[in-house]
Amino acid sequence: KNQVEQSPQSLIILEGKNCTLQCNYTVSPFSNLRWYKQDTGRGPVSLTIMTFSENTKSNGRYTATLDADTKQSSLHITASQLSDSASYICVVGTSYGKLTFGQGTILTVHP
Amino acid sequence: DTEVTQTPKHLVMGMTNKKSLKCEQHMGHRAMYWYKQKAKKPPELMFVYSYEKLSINESVPSRFSPECPNSSLLNLHLHALQPEDSALYLCASSQGGIGGGFTGELFFGEGSRLTVL
Repeated sequence: KNQVEQSPQSLIILEGKNCTLQCNYTVSPFSNLRWYKQDTGRGPVSLTIMTFSENTKSNGRYTATLDADTKQSSLHITASQLSDSASYICVVGTSYGKLTFGQGTILTVHP
Repeated sequence: DTEVTQTPKHLVMGMTNKKSLKCEQHMGHRAMYWYKQKAKKPPELMFVYSYEKLSINESVPSRFSPECPNSSLLNLHLHALQPEDSALYLCASSQGGIGGGFTGELFFGEGSRLTVL
């Protein structure tokens, strides 16, 4: 069964600090891994999308890594801002187009 | 234009009402999706249309009826809903096939917040 596990479930950090969110998956046949940011009550917004041949991708202060051998990904947020408070969802896609969503990590940034 | 537009943003309906949710995109995407999201849970796939044909129905109850009038529009018709159907309904679209293919982005709308009384 395809599964995506994210940790931690929730995280509180102070503004300006860095943090790293984790995503482990058992999805086959693997095609791509995506990170989305979802503000409360809004639709998810794509941050990065990586295929098996990519092991790092950045989008501003967001840097995602992918280790296809260990089936792990991380999302690193640098110099956090209050607007980074959101749910971060890891989504893994198969070659057939099936997407499996993780439960998300709720990040709260305090001033 | 990289937007997926959903209307209405909020909808309150009784269990005997008939209403519709609407979704529109003008990015030329050929796959469109309906997701249901409960609070603090990830989105759950309901339906996928590919080239205006229903490709995936994730065993959704018949009180939800999707419709794709053309390549830019996607509707979700609601009838005889239950209070547990209250959720955020998200529409999405992608360029390259179901799930966006290898690297295709999945663009989500802002969602329609549905409350069933």
